[in-house]
Amino acid sequence: KAGVTQTPRYLIKTRGQQVTLSCSPISGHRSVSWYQQTPGQGLQFLFEYFSETQRNKGNFPGRFSGRQFSNSRSEMNVSTLELGDSALYLCASSSGTGVVGNYGYTFGSGTRLTVV
Amino acid sequence: GQQLNQSPQSMFIQEGEDVSMNCTSSSIFNTWLWYKQDPGEGPVLLIALYKAGELTSNGRLTAQFGITRKDSFLNISASIPSDVGIYFCAGPYAGNQFYFGTGTSLTVIP
Repeated sequence: KAGVTQTPRYLIKTRGQQVTLSCSPISGHRSVSWYQQTPGQGLQFLFEYFSETQRNKGNFPGRFSGRQFSNSRSEMNVSTLELGDSALYLCASSSGTGVVGNYGYTFGSGTRLTVV
Repeated sequence: GQQLNQSPQSMFIQEGEDVSMNCTSSSIFNTWLWYKQDPGEGPVLLIALYKAGELTSNGRLTAQFGITRKDSFLNISASIPSDVGIYFCAGPYAGNQFYFGTGTSLTVIP
């Protein structure tokens, strides 16, 4: 089974620009969750998509948005980039049913975003 | 938001030594997950715990779900250099959303 694929691996953007990151989950997984990881804040939950609908949302400003397509692939978008948005962005896929035994996200390798 | 506190924050040990780390929460969790993250990569699931008091092993790794359901422990026996990385605990809330611990950075000295 192929793992979770995130593209691109690295990005450098300037302040004020916008960026789109992509995540392809494991085949058959319907849930994709996004996290921001920084040295100071650790892993912070952004949002989760399940069957093309946003099911959960963390405490991030509206500049952070996402969507999920019918094939479960997900994208997240950050508009009007700020220096503080520099981070490793991780997505995790799971079945999303929450049934005991199915827990355990599988993470991608992440996209390292640097805002200059 | 919820804070999962991990201790110690970092560890420097000799190859062959055993390692113990723990994770505590102010809230009860019904599931605990332990992940390892190598530099530049995403976290990889090591062990999942589903019942209070449960003790689960995965090779040299052993994790336990605390009786109070507010804590969990991870032990690594006979450490080797490839054990180096950051270890995270995680607990679910609000469905498929997880809180992650602050991480324990492990360095193994050959």
